[in-house]
Amino acid sequence: EVQLVESGGGLVQPGRSLKLSCLASGFTFSNYGMNWIRQAPGKGLEWVASISSSSSYIYYADTVKGRFTISRDNAKNTLYLQMTSLRSEDTALYYCARRGHSLDYWGQGVMVTVSS
Amino acid sequence: DIQMTQSPASLSASLEEIVTITCQASQDIGNWLAWYQQKPGKSPQLLIYGATSLADGVPSRFSGSRSGTQYSLKISRLQVEDPGIYYCLQGYSAPYTFGAGTKLELK
Repeated sequence: EVQLVESGGGLVQPGRSLKLSCLASGFTFSNYGMNWIRQAPGKGLEWVASISSSSSYIYYADTVKGRFTISRDNAKNTLYLQMTSLRSEDTALYYCARRGHSLDYWGQGVMVTVSS
Repeated sequence: DIQMTQSPASLSASLEEIVTITCQASQDIGNWLAWYQQKPGKSPQLLIYGATSLADGVPSRFSGSRSGTQYSLKISRLQVEDPGIYYCLQGYSAPYTFGAGTKLELK
């Protein structure tokens, strides 16, 4: 069974940093591209970042480019999102998702709240 | 960036009714279009990928179609478990973009 479990969220002050993790199981992690998607409270879905299976290709939304870094450790079956210079508008539920047939499996999400 | 214009924003329909939601892409995205259903407090669930392919475990009353750069999700006979918010996603080129969502309710 494919499972994606996010962790590392919480309450953080504006301007500070936070690192999210997504532990994958039930499939060969190193064979799949991975993505982060976020959803602000009561709002729609926003794609954040994408990384290919070997980390060769990385893409970011303009809203996070230069502040967020996506990475992965295939030996640990883990996807990461390093978030710096956090802003109130980054407050959201952050999902990791596998890119198989489109984004076919999603985690349950981890909440990030940016507030003083 | 590719824009995805989704309509309607909300929809109220009766049981067994046919429901159609559409997404218009701002440029050619081929068949790189997926549909998702999200229920309150839950992660989005993949319904359709490749514009027309049914994801595993999804009931056959859901179907996807394409006409040029317009994509449609059809629910052939609305069931009690179908209300939720539906999103389209273009995965053709980054930045990948979601439609704004369609809130589907039972009348």
